[in-house]
Amino acid sequence: AQSVAQPEDQVNVAEGNPLTVKCTYSVSGNPYLFWYVQYPNRGLQFLLKYITGDNLVKGSYGFEAEFNKSQTSFHLKKPSALVSDSALYFCAVREPKKGGKLIFGQGTELSVKP
Amino acid sequence: NAGVTQTPKFQVLKTGQSMTLQCAQDMNHEYMSWYRQDPGMGLRLIHYSVGAGITDQGEVPNGYNVSRSTTEDFPLRLLSAAPSQTSVYFCASRRPGTGIVELFFGEGSRLTVL
Repeated sequence: AQSVAQPEDQVNVAEGNPLTVKCTYSVSGNPYLFWYVQYPNRGLQFLLKYITGDNLVKGSYGFEAEFNKSQTSFHLKKPSALVSDSALYFCAVREPKKGGKLIFGQGTELSVKP
Repeated sequence: NAGVTQTPKFQVLKTGQSMTLQCAQDMNHEYMSWYRQDPGMGLRLIHYSVGAGITDQGEVPNGYNVSRSTTEDFPLRLLSAAPSQTSVYFCASRRPGTGIVELFFGEGSRLTVL
C-alpha cells in the first residue's frame, strides 16, 4: 500500500533563510507526488507536483521540490523564506492508475519568524 | 467562479444524531472525494467517486455513507454521529482526463459531536 511520511511536525525558519520541509514516500510503480499548503481556517491549495522528468520541480509562490528516487524523497524547498509562508504543508502521493486515490502525509507546520 | 462549495461550515451534533454534509462543484469534475482532518494525522480519505453512480471506500469509511447521483454533488452522510467523528471535513475534486492533475478543495466543514 502506498504511504507518505513527513518526519517533522514543525519547522522553524528565520525570514530570508532557506527552508526545507521533508517528505518520504512508499508506492508501487512510478510515484505521482504533490505538495499542498493550508492557511488557517482554509482549504488546501495546490503548490506543485512531480509526475516525470526533471527531478527539480518548480511551483507556486517561489517553492520548488526535489524528487530523489533512490531515497524515495520529495522535499519542499524555498531559497528565501517569507513570514507569509507560515502555514501547514502537506505532501501527498497518488496511486499510479486511473482514478487513483491521493494519500496525504500528516503535515508539517512551517513557522517563519521576522 | 464558485469551485468546490461545502455546507454547512460549522455544525454541532449530539451523539446518535444524523446529518449530511453537502459538497457541490461547478467545474464538471468527474472525481470527487471526502477527507477528514485531525491534528497530527493529516488528511485521511473517507470515500471517493470517479463519476456519477460510482463510489468507493477510502482509508476510514466506517460510519459514513456517500452517493453520487449527479456529477456536481457528492454528499457525505453520518447515520449515527459519534464523538470520534468530531473533525474538519474537506471535499475535493479534480478534472477529468488522463493527465495527473491536482485536487481542488472546499473550505471545510467543522463538525463537533457531543
